[in-house]
Amino acid sequence: DSGVTQTPKHLITATGQRVTLRCSPRSGDLSVYWYQQSLDQGLQFLIQYYNGEERAKGNILERFSAQQFPDLHSELNLSSLELGDSALYFCASSLGQANTGELFFGEGSRLTVL
Amino acid sequence: GDSVTQMEGPVTLSEEAFLTINCTYTATGYPSLFWYVQYPGEGLQLLLKATKADDKGSNKGFEATYRKETTSFHLEKGSVQVSDSAVYFCALDRRNAGNMLTFGGGTRLMVKP
Repeated sequence: DSGVTQTPKHLITATGQRVTLRCSPRSGDLSVYWYQQSLDQGLQFLIQYYNGEERAKGNILERFSAQQFPDLHSELNLSSLELGDSALYFCASSLGQANTGELFFGEGSRLTVL
Repeated sequence: GDSVTQMEGPVTLSEEAFLTINCTYTATGYPSLFWYVQYPGEGLQLLLKATKADDKGSNKGFEATYRKETTSFHLEKGSVQVSDSAVYFCALDRRNAGNMLTFGGGTRLMVKP
C-alpha cells in the first residue's frame, strides 16, 4: 500500500460528458502528480502541483484541468470526453518538489468512454 | 526532448532464468535514472535508481548500472521468480526539473514455473 488513494477505481461514461477523479496523497506529501497510461501513448505526465500551486505541465489537453486543495488532495477534471480519453489515470505524490525521483503511485482510476 | 526507449515485451522466462531488460535514454544534461515496477492491479513502485554515471542501483536482486557512454540503464536479475511477473518501466528525471519523470513504454515480464 503506497498510501496514495484514488477514487473512483473504475468509471464508465459517454462521449461529451465530464468526470472528476480524486486523489489523496500520502500523509505529509506536498506534491501531487497526474499521469495518463494508455495502450498507444504509454505513461504520460499530465501535471504537477506543489502545496496548492501548479508547478509543471506536461501533455495535458485543454479539456483537462486539475487543482490541489488546501488539505492537499487533488482533483483531475476531464471534460468533453472523447473515446481516446479512455485510459488509466494515475496520481502520485512525493514529499517535496526536489529532484529525488521517488514517486508514490496510487492504484489508478480506469476511465472508459463509450 | 527527453525520451526513454525500452525493449518491447512481453518477455517470457522460466523460473531461475537470467533477466535483462534493455533501456536507453536521450536527455540533455545528466539525468537521474530509475526502474519502476507495476504488479497486476497496482500502481507503480520504485524498484531502484541511480543518480550519476557508473552508479549501480540494486534492490530485491535486481541491478542496473548507469552507463553514460552508451546512455543505457539495463535492468538485470540473475534468477527470476514467478513473483517477479510484472510490467517494468525505465524512467529519467532531469536535474532541476522536479519529479516530472519521463517513462519508457514498459516491458511486461512473464515468469513461468
